[in-house]
Amino acid sequence: QKEVEQNSGPLSVPEGAIASLNCTYSDRGSQSFFWYRQYSGKSPELIMFIYSNGDKEDGRFTAQLNKASQYVSLLIRDSQPSDSATYLCAVNGYPGAQKLVFGQGTRLTINP
Amino acid sequence: GAGVSQSPSNKVTEKGKDVELRCDPISGHTALYWYRQSLGQGLEFLIYFQGNSAPDKSGLPSDRFSAERTGGSVSTLTIQRTQQEDSAVYLCASSPPRPAGTQYFGPGTRLTVL
Repeated sequence: QKEVEQNSGPLSVPEGAIASLNCTYSDRGSQSFFWYRQYSGKSPELIMFIYSNGDKEDGRFTAQLNKASQYVSLLIRDSQPSDSATYLCAVNGYPGAQKLVFGQGTRLTINP
Repeated sequence: GAGVSQSPSNKVTEKGKDVELRCDPISGHTALYWYRQSLGQGLEFLIYFQGNSAPDKSGLPSDRFSAERTGGSVSTLTIQRTQQEDSAVYLCASSPPRPAGTQYFGPGTRLTVL
């Protein structure tokens, strides 16, 4: 059974600081990695996806992937109170696979 | 463009009744997924469609749950003889052929079984 593990939090970060969210996965064959943000009472929305080892940047967000360590992270620079949400890590098993395995999510709170 | 839509947004039913939940995916998206999320919990995978067929229905909790998709578009999730433990938010997502796995979620249907 493929597993995706995240620290449930809550993770508290002061406004303006860097928030670091981490995720590990069990299936070494996993190929694609996704980060979703879910505000309370809302549905998840896709923030970023990454396929290759290294960093991928999009605005204030950076996804980092280390396949050897089976580890993926999301950095949020210049954190804002509006970034307060639950962040879900998701993994698919092989290239082109459509089904994702989701972690339980990390609740992030940005303190003004 | 239009996102994934779901109806109804809220459904209150009595224990033992049947309910139908509808999902309208984004046009051109070939894959469609149903999830369930209880309050404060993570996403529970129910079933996945590629076109009109369901390669993976491993998450359906019991034979009271069924789903179909017609015309490669609209999907219906049916729950028969609802139980109180079925109360949850039911989320639908769709994804394009590429990039694979990029799922876009609808607003969900909140089901309450009294």
